[in-house]
Amino acid sequence: AQSVTQLDSQVPVFEEAPVELRCNYSSSVSVYLFWYVQYPNQGLQLLLKYLSGSTLVKGINGFEAEFNKSQTSFHLRKPSVHISDTAEYFCAVSRTGTASKLTFGTGTRLQVTL
Amino acid sequence: EAQVTQNPRYLITVTGKKLTVTCSQNMNHEYMSWYRQDPGLGLRQIYYSMNVEVTDKGDVPEGYKVSRKEKRNFPLILESPSPNQTSLYFCASSLLTSGGTNTGELFFGEGSRLTVL
Repeated sequence: AQSVTQLDSQVPVFEEAPVELRCNYSSSVSVYLFWYVQYPNQGLQLLLKYLSGSTLVKGINGFEAEFNKSQTSFHLRKPSVHISDTAEYFCAVSRTGTASKLTFGTGTRLQVTL
Repeated sequence: EAQVTQNPRYLITVTGKKLTVTCSQNMNHEYMSWYRQDPGLGLRQIYYSMNVEVTDKGDVPEGYKVSRKEKRNFPLILESPSPNQTSLYFCASSLLTSGGTNTGELFFGEGSRLTVL
């Protein structure tokens, strides 16, 4: 079975500073990787995904993530955050070719302040 | 507008009183799933469905039932709710590929916050 570890439960950062949210996964087979964002009182929405191909993937709102197979990581980055990026971010993994299972991490709360 | 709609959004009930949380999607998605979100635990899958009349257990199915009689609807049923089912519940849906697999690109509803006293 696959699993996901988000190393930081909370990340405080000042506006316009860079940020990295860390995600490591465990799986014995090939995986798809995702980052979802949850704004206050809302459902989750897809931020970006890695299915295959280029290991650097770009998502919405200026976020990007890099798939590192050797380190089994999929860290999320943004060079300059905005107040509106304050939200909870979830890393998720699924096995390639499977039909049912998307496993989520426990989430990282990004708090952007002035 | 493409969306997943859950009802009710908020509910307070008492132990043992049966309740149903409805979920409907208008995107003709084959795959639907229920998750619960608890602090420090992230999202955990309760049940999922690959298509009409096809359902299966996720990681935490105990105390829940589901049905998939129509493609657009996937209600979550708590026959006898208990306080440990107090949680935030999300319904999600996605397309399946031509090979019948789910790439994980889920569309989520806005959530249903359930409190069981």
